[in-house]
Amino acid sequence: DGGITQSPKYLFRKEGQNVTLSCEQNLNHDAMYWYRQDPGQGLRLIYYSQIVNDFQKGDIAEGYSVSREKKESFPLTVTSAQKNPTAFYLCASSMEARGVYNSPLHFGNGTRLTVT
Amino acid sequence: RKEVEQDPGPFNVPEGATVAFNCTYSNSASQSFFWYRQDCRKEPKLLMSVYSSGNEDGRFTAQLNRASQYISLLIRDSKLSDSATYLCVVHGSYTNAGKSTFGDGTTLTVKP
Repeated sequence: DGGITQSPKYLFRKEGQNVTLSCEQNLNHDAMYWYRQDPGQGLRLIYYSQIVNDFQKGDIAEGYSVSREKKESFPLTVTSAQKNPTAFYLCASSMEARGVYNSPLHFGNGTRLTVT
Repeated sequence: RKEVEQDPGPFNVPEGATVAFNCTYSNSASQSFFWYRQDCRKEPKLLMSVYSSGNEDGRFTAQLNRASQYISLLIRDSKLSDSATYLCVVHGSYTNAGKSTFGDGTTLTVKP
């Protein structure tokens, strides 16, 4: 079955450590996204990528970094510069192509990151 | 002002009730619109796309008014299983292709 896989489901880290969240999709989707959700809040866009080797900052990119070396993979690194990293992180993909904007997002199950 | 604004909620309704959620967006160049459902501590899942002509899927009806920059979701004959948070999503524009913006969500609780 096609889908988006995020791992791990739960992640615990000490303050000051960088941590990388994995996101893999086998849907052959062009576009991939990372969102952050805090309790009782909506989703906020961190980074997105419409094509391999290219990505754009979202609304809250500070303290995060991404790479898009393969179409299937879009890992997110939460760096020690991120002031409040504890959150629910959601990866998504869409069958987006240049000039086509009506493809919905498909989400992975998410990673809950706790930094103490 | 937020790019996408939803009714604050929460909505608490009895089974069988009809409930409507509203959503407004600020970018008039936005291209596509969706409603997602999110259960507690889970990922959002697509409920339905929203088309200019309006569209219906069983008990759910979505409407789009581009002139007023307004989206709505109507749920008829509410079920206990409809209890969730409903997210309005506005996607893309000619100057901001590839970006989806989410509303903060409206929480619905359907009671017996």
